[in-house]
Amino acid sequence: KNQVEQSPQSLIILEGKNCTLQCNYTVSPFSNLRWYKQDTGRGPVSLTIMTFSENTKSNGRYTATLDADTKQSSLHITASQLSDSASYICVVSRMDSNYQLIWGAGTKLIIKP
Amino acid sequence: NAGVTQTPKFRVLKTGQSMTLLCAQDMNHEYMYWYRQDPGMGLRLIHYSVGEGTTAKGEVPDGYNVSRLKKQNFLLGLESAAPSQTSVYFCASSSDREEETQYFGPGTRLLVL
Repeated sequence: KNQVEQSPQSLIILEGKNCTLQCNYTVSPFSNLRWYKQDTGRGPVSLTIMTFSENTKSNGRYTATLDADTKQSSLHITASQLSDSASYICVVSRMDSNYQLIWGAGTKLIIKP
Repeated sequence: NAGVTQTPKFRVLKTGQSMTLLCAQDMNHEYMYWYRQDPGMGLRLIHYSVGEGTTAKGEVPDGYNVSRLKKQNFLLGLESAAPSQTSVYFCASSSDREEETQYFGPGTRLLVL
C-alpha cells in the first residue's frame, strides 16, 4: 500500500534550536518527494522538491535529505524562529499513468520563545 | 498577482443543502486541483483538471462535482451536503503535474450540520 508516515506527530522546541523531522514512505514507483509548510489556517507552501537522483536540497534554513534506498527523507531546520511554528508535510508522488500524490499527515512544530 | 484565491472563506450548511466553492488563479496554470483536509489525515484529492473543459476524479470524488469552464476558474459543487463533508477544502494549481510546485489557496472551512 502506498503510504507516507511522518514522525514525530508534534514537536516543541525553543527558539534558536535546531530540529529534524522524519518522513518514511512506501510509495512505488517513486517520482519525487516534496516538503510543504502549512501555517495554521493557511494553505500549504512548498519548501523543496527532490527527485530520485537528488539526496539533499536547501531552502534558506531548511534542508531536506532523501535516501531513496531506504525510502526515508528528513527536513532539518536550523536556528529555529517563532515563524517556523507550523505543520510540515511530506508528499511523495507516484510515477504512473495517473500521477498520484501521497500526502503525509504532517508534523506540528511549535517554537517557544 | 493574487495567486490562488478561494471563496467563500467559511460556510455553514444544513444537511441536504447545496453549494459551490469557487477557486480562481491568475498564474495561467493548466492544472487545478481540489483537496480536502481532515484532522490527523493527509490532504486527499477530490477532483482535478488538466486544462479548460476537462476534469477527472481523484481519490475521494463521491458527493462532489466540478467544472472548469474557464482556464482560470475551477468550481467544486456539493449537490446534497452531508455531515461527512465537514472539512477544510483547498484549491491548488500548477503549470504541470509532475515536476512543478502546486500553489494553494487559503482554504474554505465548511461545516455541515
